[in-house]
Amino acid sequence: DVKVTQSSRYLVKRTGEKVFLECVQDMDHENMFWYRQDPGLGLRLIYFSYDVKMKEKGDIPEGYSVSREKKERFSLILESASTNQTSMYLCASSLSGGSNQPQHFGDGTRLSIL
Amino acid sequence: GNSVTQMEGPVTLSEEAFLTINCTYTATGYPSLFWYVQYPGEGLQLLLKATKADDKGSNKGFEATYRKETTSFHLEKGSVQVSDSAVYFCALESGGSNYKLTFGKGTLLTVNP
Repeated sequence: DVKVTQSSRYLVKRTGEKVFLECVQDMDHENMFWYRQDPGLGLRLIYFSYDVKMKEKGDIPEGYSVSREKKERFSLILESASTNQTSMYLCASSLSGGSNQPQHFGDGTRLSIL
Repeated sequence: GNSVTQMEGPVTLSEEAFLTINCTYTATGYPSLFWYVQYPGEGLQLLLKATKADDKGSNKGFEATYRKETTSFHLEKGSVQVSDSAVYFCALESGGSNYKLTFGKGTLLTVNP
């Protein structure tokens, strides 16, 4: 079974801190994704990566950056955390090859910015 | 741009009731369509998918048919169980989008015994 592991289930940080969310997948997937999930808004794509060191902006990249130095690891960085970044963050991965390859999700990190 | 609209919840049903969650979409080209499910405290799991018009996806008693003429992909189940209580997301992937998914806002289903 594919496993996508997010480093923390719950995280509390302060405004202005630099925050790192880590995601690791164990199935050699090319594609990795970061979403945030908010009530009434569903899932919104922040960034995605289709190869090591490659990244593309999603729908809401402002205030975030990402790093993919190794194929299995995709990090989301909040450069200077703000209260409006309090949310549930979900990481996902998939093989290349189009729609026959579903995205596999981690269990999420619930981040609170105080 | 691409968009997915699904019925707002919450939906509350009794065990063994019939379930329909409506989903319609707007997309260029010929998207693939998905239903994902999120159980409490977990991430999303793929429930079913359909990649071309008139395809029917099915899994765990759930079904959805890709209707191009009505741009719809409604989720149905003939007899729901308490264990089906979850949030259901409709999503599409449009060709050439680097496999990005566009999600609906989710529908919370609660099934009572």
